Amino acid sequence: AQSVSQHNHHVILSEAASLELGCNYSYGGTVNLFWYVQYPGQHLQLLLKYFSGDPLVKGIKGFEAEFIKSKFSFNLRKPSVQWSDTAEYFCAVMGGSYIPTFGRGTSLIVHP
Amino acid sequence: DAGVIQSPRHEVTEMGQEVTLRCKPISGHNSLFWYRQTMMRGLELLIYFNNNVPIDDSGMPEDRFSAKMPNASFSTLKIQPSEPRDSAVYFCASSTGTLDTQYFGPGTRLTVL
Repeated sequence: AQSVSQHNHHVILSEAASLELGCNYSYGGTVNLFWYVQYPGQHLQLLLKYFSGDPLVKGIKGFEAEFIKSKFSFNLRKPSVQWSDTAEYFCAVMGGSYIPTFGRGTSLIVHP
Repeated sequence: DAGVIQSPRHEVTEMGQEVTLRCKPISGHNSLFWYRQTMMRGLELLIYFNNNVPIDDSGMPEDRFSAKMPNASFSTLKIQPSEPRDSAVYFCASSTGTLDTQYFGPGTRLTVL
């Protein structure tokens, strides 16, 4: 069975700080990986996804994530966060079941 | 495209009442998912349809929950009878295929008193 672990439950940063959110998954086969974002009071929307090819994936709003197969990781990064990045971030993995499994989410608060 | 449409956006009901949540997926999408989000349990997949057929309902918590998809443009999630522990935000999502990105609706915030 596939599973996802997001180690950081709450992250608080000041504007312009760099961000890295951890995501580790458990699945032995080929995976598709996603990061979704949920802004306060809104629905989940896709930030970026990895299906194959270049393991460094660039998404919207300056976010990127790197797939490291040997570490079963897909960490999300942004070099300089903004107040508007305050949101909940979810990592998801899709393996052989073709049904995504979501992590518990990381709450990011960015102080102006 | 209007995106995934859910109704109602908010529902407040009393314990024991029947609750019906509705979802209209994006036109052309053949996969539909129902999720429940709570502070305690995060985002949980309840049921997944492909081409209107329920494929995996192992996440449905108990018999009080049922879901239908009578056609490609409409799905319902019903709770009967509702209980206070059912209070959560229920999301519907659709995708073009089992491996594709999911597009989420705005959610229905359910409060059972």
